[in-house]
Amino acid sequence: SAVISQKPSRDICQRGTSLTIQCQVDSQVTMMFWYRQQPGQSLTLIATANQGSEATYESGFVIDKFPISRPNLTFSTLTVSNMSPEDSSIYLCSVDPGTSGGNTQYFGPGTRLTVL
Amino acid sequence: TQLLEQSPQFLSIQEGENLTVYCNSSSVFSSLQWYRQEPGEGPVLLVTVVTGGEVKKLKRLTFQFGDARKDSSLHITAAQPGDTGLYLCAGADAGNNRKLIWGLGTSLAVNP
Repeated sequence: SAVISQKPSRDICQRGTSLTIQCQVDSQVTMMFWYRQQPGQSLTLIATANQGSEATYESGFVIDKFPISRPNLTFSTLTVSNMSPEDSSIYLCSVDPGTSGGNTQYFGPGTRLTVL
Repeated sequence: TQLLEQSPQFLSIQEGENLTVYCNSSSVFSSLQWYRQEPGEGPVLLVTVVTGGEVKKLKRLTFQFGDARKDSSLHITAAQPGDTGLYLCAGADAGNNRKLIWGLGTSLAVNP
């Protein structure tokens, strides 16, 4: 397993501003993912954060809106740019340690973002 | 596009009752995971099933992977208020990109 921390845990932001969310893992992992989740609902994958290369974005998500950094194997950031109220959500990072026996992911506690 | 249908979406039961949550797909998954999430927390892994027909037990929770690896179920015996939460199933993408395909989730409330 892996222990993942996220900062900030929550924030309230004004429309038009940007927020950078940090994700720190206690061990080196190849695969890191960023998700968005509405409370009580399922997860929507934003992108896969690749170390040493650009992130791979899912349909409906673009780099200009959600730039991602992955400077090393234990850290990643997701920026939510030019925010609008529609960006209010819970943002989660996860890691896949790549162990055998299934594509298991471990999650951080999430960042609850409210955009006014 | 792989899809994973999860049912029921909402479930409210009394303490001591049994329940089953289902995840179904027309696609084959190499593995399937079940997660439980409480408010303000990230999803926590409960189990990973890999082999068709596999049954795993975790105290009062029983997980089954279909023989064809297209479906799975989670059965809770004698539910307790501490079982309350959002249950999510996730199937491993058929490709080699280690993405997960997520069900829509089952919000379970166990009333004392």
